[in-house]
Amino acid sequence: DTAVSQTPKYLVTQMGNDKSIKCEQNLGHDTMYWYKQDSKKFLKIMFSYNNKELIINETVPNRFSPKSPDKAHLNLHINSLELGDSAVYFCASNHRGGELFFGEGSRLTVL
Amino acid sequence: KQEVTQIPAALSVPEGENLVLNCSFTDSAIYNLQWFRQDPGKGLTSLLLIQSSQREQTSGRLNASLDKSSGRSTLYIAASQPGDSATYLCAVTANDYKLSFGAGTTVTVRA
Repeated sequence: DTAVSQTPKYLVTQMGNDKSIKCEQNLGHDTMYWYKQDSKKFLKIMFSYNNKELIINETVPNRFSPKSPDKAHLNLHINSLELGDSAVYFCASNHRGGELFFGEGSRLTVL
Repeated sequence: KQEVTQIPAALSVPEGENLVLNCSFTDSAIYNLQWFRQDPGKGLTSLLLIQSSQREQTSGRLNASLDKSSGRSTLYIAASQPGDSATYLCAVTANDYKLSFGAGTTVTVRA
């Protein structure tokens, strides 16, 4: 039973399109995150939600909009996709700063 | 702002040799430190978590030490195997639960 699951695993789309990535955790954690990993493999925090409330919003274009319907789900919607958005997006969760669990990643390719 | 550095960026060793991976951080006021492993095309897997009050943690062939005053952690992997080949990342959690990641050390264990 996967602890942090995200879908889709692969996403190939054209520039200008809108797409969403979904994330769910079944660990009972109170905090969920979205990270972006670029071609150089560096992990960059994008957003963090604690109990459905946004607590971290790094310098990310406003084309990216996270949505947390409940504390077990954190979705990422991206509008007007650009070539530079191509990356692997990771969802993660933890509880009160404890051990961090990651999903398998969603590889987004913008053509 | 917390900065986390991992040196070297890459490491290649023959099978059987012990691995020593370094992580340094600039702000010693931390909540915990975690070591992760990332295989190509996969998510991050938590290896060890050291609370700020601890000096080390062990799991099997892995041992991680923490010296908060000098801002350092070291991950030791004993008797390396080809299956240990991966990228190893450390992440520091601040007292406000904000995470900072290093860029990782890519390890190759030669058979």
